[in-house]
Amino acid sequence: TQLLEQSPQFLSIQEGENLTVYCNSSSVFSSLQWYRQEPGEGPVLLVTVVTGGEVKKLKRLTFQFGDARKDSSLHITAAQPGDTGLYLCAGAWNAGNMLTFGGGTRLMVKP
Amino acid sequence: NAGVTQTPKFQVLKTGQSMTLQCAQDMNHNSMYWYRQDPGMGLRLIYYSASEGTTDKGEVPNGYNVSRLNKREFSLRLESAAPSQTSVYFCATRGRGSSQPQHFGDGTRLSIL
Repeated sequence: TQLLEQSPQFLSIQEGENLTVYCNSSSVFSSLQWYRQEPGEGPVLLVTVVTGGEVKKLKRLTFQFGDARKDSSLHITAAQPGDTGLYLCAGAWNAGNMLTFGGGTRLMVKP
Repeated sequence: NAGVTQTPKFQVLKTGQSMTLQCAQDMNHNSMYWYRQDPGMGLRLIYYSASEGTTDKGEVPNGYNVSRLNKREFSLRLESAAPSQTSVYFCATRGRGSSQPQHFGDGTRLSIL
């Protein structure tokens, strides 16, 4: 079983602060995805990264894929209460059909 | 455009009862998945189906069976429910290609007493 470790598990911050969430594995990913999940709903895709060293930006969210494709990070600038939710990373290790999900980071942004 | 529809949304069972969770998609995707989500453990794959007529075990298949009835529908059955199967169950689909996103339903919240 391939393992994906996410840190931190929980994060509670004030509006306007910056934060970074990490996703790590000892294995090399063929691609990695970040999802956001709100209470009572299923996860929704934020971004897919494929190339080592790749950086993608989605408004105040910056996603980075490690050069060796073993790790990834999600950085949020000037967090807002609307960013509150569960953030999940998910990795694919080959061209197959399965994803392995990390344990998630539960973010709360207080106004 | 419904995407992925799961029924029921909530269910309470007694230990030993059986139940089938239903999932239907209108996205014309070949691949479909069943996950369970428990606090602090992310999503764990129970079974998946790469195409109509095929199913494969995931990480935690024990106590479950699945059926890919046609391209649209993928059901998950608990033959004899146990309290350890209390969880939130998600169905997902994905288009062709490993970098394609998975599209999730809103989940079924299942409690087994």
